Amino acid sequence: GENVEQHPSTLSVQEGDSAVIKCTYSDSASNYFPWYKQELGKGPQLIIDIRSNVGEKKDQRIAVTLNKTAKHFSLHITETQPEDSAVYFCAALDTGRRALTFGSGTRLQVQP
Amino acid sequence: DSGVTQTPKHLITATGQRVTLRCSPRSGDLSVYWYQQSLDQGLQFLIQYYNGEERAKGNILERFSAQQFPDLHSELNLSSLELGDSALYFCASSPRKGDRDREETQYFGPGTRLLVL
Repeated sequence: GENVEQHPSTLSVQEGDSAVIKCTYSDSASNYFPWYKQELGKGPQLIIDIRSNVGEKKDQRIAVTLNKTAKHFSLHITETQPEDSAVYFCAALDTGRRALTFGSGTRLQVQP
Repeated sequence: DSGVTQTPKHLITATGQRVTLRCSPRSGDLSVYWYQQSLDQGLQFLIQYYNGEERAKGNILERFSAQQFPDLHSELNLSSLELGDSALYFCASSPRKGDRDREETQYFGPGTRLLVL
């Protein structure tokens, strides 16, 4: 089945700086890669996703890039704000089980 | 607010007991997924239902079972509970099959926090 690795596990940045979180996946047949933000006491919230027919996608301060050859994808957050502080999860669609396999999460802290 | 609802929000019970968690998907969504989130295992897929039928199975214990009813709400039953079953349980739903660009998109509910004492 699919295996997703996520780095770093914790990330601290100053307000206004950029943050980058990286993930690698193992199943070359995976074709859908969402990113979720989870705040304390809440469920994961979908913030952006990308499909394998696209190399990059942007939504305001958030962008995701995908390198299918290297089997890795990254989340980029620019102009970070304190409200961006949360745990971020990457995921890949396990085409065999048709279910999401999640990375282990990155705790992002934005210092004001 | 994703539109997915889960009840109860919190549940405290004892080892050996049985509990039922309930999920209502977003309006119009046919698929329901159950996930378990624990500190040591992260977010793990348990099981998926599509329009009342089991579609995919993940790391779900034999003590756990689920079903999806004609009104599309789903229930996750956890029996013979052990201390290690303490976790957050999330339900997610996704749009109906046929819209290929969206079928994989999963929207999560707020979760049920289960504590087994």
